Amino acid sequence: AQTVTQSQPEMSVQEAETVTLSCTYDTSESDYYLFWYKQPPSRQMILVIRQEAYKQQNATENRFSVNFQKAAKSFSLKISDSQLGDAAMYFCAYPSNSGNTPLVFGKGTRLSVIA
Amino acid sequence: NAGVTQTPKFQVLKTGQSMTLQCAQDMNHEYMSWYRQDPGMGLRLIHYSVGAGITDQGEVPNGYNVSRSTTEDFPLRLLSAAPSQTSVYFCASSYSRAAILEAFFGQGTRLTVV
Repeated sequence: AQTVTQSQPEMSVQEAETVTLSCTYDTSESDYYLFWYKQPPSRQMILVIRQEAYKQQNATENRFSVNFQKAAKSFSLKISDSQLGDAAMYFCAYPSNSGNTPLVFGKGTRLSVIA
Repeated sequence: NAGVTQTPKFQVLKTGQSMTLQCAQDMNHEYMSWYRQDPGMGLRLIHYSVGAGITDQGEVPNGYNVSRSTTEDFPLRLLSAAPSQTSVYFCASSYSRAAILEAFFGQGTRLTVV
């Protein structure tokens, strides 16, 4: 079975500080995207950031950036200057190995932001 | 654009009842999929479709049926609801294979089976 591992079920960060959420995966694809989704209490799934695997440069979106290590199949999310609105579940997702199957998701990391 | 629309948002069923969760998208996406989300389990794939008339099973398909008669709609049917199907259900769509482009999600349906 394919797996994506988010090893931190829960994390907390002080407001304005930086936090890193980890993710590892095992796709055999050669060209693919990796995604981080945020799920606030409203339940809506919101795309935070995506990384193209063939690009060496790490993706950045405002306060969100990734540390993509292709050889290690690692894809961590760094949130800088954490804000109260960042409190949510965060899911890492990557493409399935087989055919047309959609994204495979990790179990998620619940992030709390402490004022 | 409305994006991906799921109905209903909440539902309570009795064991053994059947129902259909509706999903519609107005983005002309070929790929649509259903996930269920349970505490500590992330999102698990139930069924997916790569175009009208084509469906396939995901990781947890038992107890669910799907059909895709149009590009826009991808309903999920619970044949005989069981308490183990209590979950939050998400429908997602993407323009092409979701490995390449982001998936757009509906707002979810919270289903409780008593």
